[in-house]
Amino acid sequence: GQSLEQPSEVTAVEGAIVQINCTYQTSGFYGLSWYQQHDGGAPTFLSYNGLDGLEETGRFSSFLSRSDSYGYLLLQELQMKDSASYFCAPGGSYKLIFGSGTRLLVRP
Amino acid sequence: SQTIHQWPATLVQPVGSPLSLECTVEGTSNPNLYWYRQAAGRGLQLLFYSVGIGQISSEVPQNLSASRPQDRQFILSSKKLLLSDSGFYLCAWVETGPTEAFFGQGTRLTVV
Repeated sequence: GQSLEQPSEVTAVEGAIVQINCTYQTSGFYGLSWYQQHDGGAPTFLSYNGLDGLEETGRFSSFLSRSDSYGYLLLQELQMKDSASYFCAPGGSYKLIFGSGTRLLVRP
Repeated sequence: SQTIHQWPATLVQPVGSPLSLECTVEGTSNPNLYWYRQAAGRGLQLLFYSVGIGQISSEVPQNLSASRPQDRQFILSSKKLLLSDSGFYLCAWVETGPTEAFFGQGTRLTVV
């Protein structure tokens, strides 16, 4: 089976750094993806980690540790527009399962 | 370039009425296709996925069904809607392996 755990909500101040964790258990795992979803919109792809370590894309970075079945999304220099829900999704089987999502609220 | 179309954007249907939501993908072949439902403020619940024409895997037993009559077409149906079917329905496709998924705009269904 598959299971995913993410914090349900995170609050941070504009300009700060926030880390959203994801622990997973899945068969045939080969990578972890992250998605962003603004209220009322569809999820959009942010990043993918196929290998252990840190992947950086602008203000966003994502980390994977296969041995710990753990990953995180790091958002730097937070902006108000980063207020959204963030989902992790392990790549393994054809089933594409998403975590329950972390709602990030950025305050001025 | 690849695009995904999902319609309608919003839908209000009475309890007991049928449902048909359509999703089509352009610019790719043999995609893996997915239907999700999202309740307000909640996560994405995988309903169905398909790895090829006529191949449907169901994740949640309920009064919904899915079909894939063509390579790039995925349809979500119901014969009789329930109030609990209300939600935000999302179609998604993945080209090879579930690494990056592309989502349609979603259909907000309200059953009254």
